[in-house]
Amino acid sequence: KQEVTQIPAALSVPEGENLVLNCSFTDSAIYNLQWFRQDPGKGLTSLLLIQSSQREQTSGRLNASLDKSSGRSTLYIAASQPGDSATYLCAASFGNEKLTFGTGTRLTIIP
Amino acid sequence: GAVVSQHPSRVICKSGTSVKIECRSLDFQATTMFWYRQFPKKSLMLMATSNEGSKATYEQGVEKDKFLINHASLTLSTLTVTSAHPEDSSFYICSASLPKGQSYEQYFGPGTRLTVT
Repeated sequence: KQEVTQIPAALSVPEGENLVLNCSFTDSAIYNLQWFRQDPGKGLTSLLLIQSSQREQTSGRLNASLDKSSGRSTLYIAASQPGDSATYLCAASFGNEKLTFGTGTRLTIIP
Repeated sequence: GAVVSQHPSRVICKSGTSVKIECRSLDFQATTMFWYRQFPKKSLMLMATSNEGSKATYEQGVEKDKFLINHASLTLSTLTVTSAHPEDSSFYICSASLPKGQSYEQYFGPGTRLTVT
């Protein structure tokens, strides 16, 4: 069964610090991996998409990596800000357009 | 670009009534859309894949007669919750798939909060 896991479920970090969110998946035959942000009661905002042929993607203060052999992806957030507080979800596609979601990490940036 | 809208954003209905939720891709055409539901503090659960011009593909355990999906055009998919009951109360989110390189990227709508009383 293809599964996606995110640990920890919640993380609190002082403002200004760099941080890493983790995502692991059980099938190395991954098609792509997407990171999303969800604010309470809202939909999902796509942050970064890493295709299977890529190892990382960057957008502003965000950097996402993909290591298929170890079944891991990380989302690195530099110089965290209170506005970064949200739930971060990773989702993997295993050979088709369907996404399998992780359970999410609820991030709180402490001012 | 790549904006997906949902309507309504919130709906309250009485038990036994039916509710229709619309999902639109505003600036692109989507042959494939997806419907998810999300319980409080939980992740998204895929309900079905909506294919333009053909029948939807439902995930295991999702009742197709309960959750009717119609994808009549390349920019619109609808989810109808028939004979809604309180246990159907949830946050329903749709997404639309857009080709990107040799892969696809999904863009999500803002969600619809359904409350069945």
